[in-house]
Amino acid sequence: QKEVEQDPGPLSVPEGAIVSLNCTYSNSAFQYFMWYRQYSRKGPELLMYTYSSGNKEDGRFTAQVDKSSKYISLFIRDSQPSDSATYLCAMSAAGRRALTFGSGTRLQVQP
Amino acid sequence: DGGITQSPKYLFRKEGQNVTLSCEQNLNHDAMYWYRQDPGQGLRLIYYSQIVNDFQKGDIAEGYSVSREKKESFPLTVTSAQKNPTAFYLCASGLRAGGTYEQYFGPGTRLTVT
Repeated sequence: QKEVEQDPGPLSVPEGAIVSLNCTYSNSAFQYFMWYRQYSRKGPELLMYTYSSGNKEDGRFTAQVDKSSKYISLFIRDSQPSDSATYLCAMSAAGRRALTFGSGTRLQVQP
Repeated sequence: DGGITQSPKYLFRKEGQNVTLSCEQNLNHDAMYWYRQDPGQGLRLIYYSQIVNDFQKGDIAEGYSVSREKKESFPLTVTSAQKNPTAFYLCASGLRAGGTYEQYFGPGTRLTVT
């Protein structure tokens, strides 16, 4: 079983919709959570970084962590066609130098 | 311009040949990483380095080698011992953030071995 699970999609939504992207994990030591956006044939771009449980908002993006359920989410409000990409979650435990990545969810926002 | 550069963008090699992928960063980050990405899969860690002249194996280090002679540079060699080298290779540098590192990625090198 993978440490981090992520639905591969594709997830197709109309422009303007609220998008919910999710990851579950099995390692209770994970404390640091990140979301990356990756356009086709490009390197991933860091979108959000959160520590422990709670919410963090940045513009149209909100990251949510529920450590009791081992579940993290990324919400995108007012989705745009330019948001069409693969979204990767990543996480690590304290003192771990490397991140563990989910396999990514492909999002398509239809104009 | 601050950032991470990888070269070349596309690389083609014959089976049995070693090939070196370049990664340079001018962000003054201490940590650097190499990942491999295959279609439909997440990023898998090959090697990482926290300081010059020191590096550690990741989850799939077999058939790869690295060096870290300068803070700015972390080249990856894909050797002929790597059984399935065709993949998208991503280099990242890491900025300390609390008890972990925020990782910032380069544009990647797509390697095709035939």
